[in-house]
Amino acid sequence: KAGVTQTPRYLIKTRGQQVTLSCSPISGHRSVSWYQQTPGQGLQFLFEYFSETQRNKGNFPGRFSGRQFSNSRSEMNVSTLELGDSALYLCASSSEPGQVTGANVLTFGAGSRLTVL
Amino acid sequence: AQKVTQAQTEISVVEKEDVTLDCVYETRDTTYYLFWYKQPPSGELVFLIRRNSFDEQNEISGRYSWNFQKSTSSFNFTITASQVVDSAVYFCALKWGNNRLAFGKGNQVVVIP
Repeated sequence: KAGVTQTPRYLIKTRGQQVTLSCSPISGHRSVSWYQQTPGQGLQFLFEYFSETQRNKGNFPGRFSGRQFSNSRSEMNVSTLELGDSALYLCASSSEPGQVTGANVLTFGAGSRLTVL
Repeated sequence: AQKVTQAQTEISVVEKEDVTLDCVYETRDTTYYLFWYKQPPSGELVFLIRRNSFDEQNEISGRYSWNFQKSTSSFNFTITASQVVDSAVYFCALKWGNNRLAFGKGNQVVVIP
C-alpha cells in the first residue's frame, strides 16, 4: 500500500511569507504527527492530530498551526516565515490513536524541505 | 522531562565490521516505548525496531540486534557485518504521551567499502 505522501518536497520562500505543507497518511491511518528537523535542534515534535482534533502540541510559537480533514489528510501552516524556520518538515501517520500503552509505529514520509531566504 | 542521548555523532566503519550505537534515555514514566529509526539521504525516517519498557529480552533480527537495559536506561543497537547500504543517520527515540516521540541527535554511520 502507498506510504505517507508529503507535498511539496522542496520549496523556497522569503521572510515574512507563509507556507502550507500537505500530508496524506497511509490509508486507514487516522493519526498524523508533524516534526521539524534542523541541524541545530534535531527532530522536534510539532503537533499531532487524530479525527480532525489536535491532541498534542509541541513547544513552537503560534505561527505554526495545522489541521486535519475528514479523510485524515493533514496540512500544516507556518505564517510570517523566519530564517530559522528553514528545515525538513516530516509527517508521520499511525494506525491507532496514540496511547501510552500502545506500541503503534509511526510511519514517516520523505518530508518537505523548506528554505527561507 | 523526556530526553534521549546519543553520544557519538559520526561513526565510520569498514564494510563487514560490526557497529554499535549507544542510546541513553530519561523518563519518569513507567510505561514507555523505545525505537530505532534509520534516515537515509532521501530523508525518510525508516522504522527499524521497537521495545516496550516491560520487555527486556534482547533480540536479533537479521543483521540487527539490540540490548535494552532498564537498570542503566540504555537501548543500544548493533548492525552486524555492516554493508555500504547501511550508511545513514540512525535515531533512537522514546515514545511518550500518545504518539509523541522524543528523538536523540542521531548517529551518522559511514560504511567504507
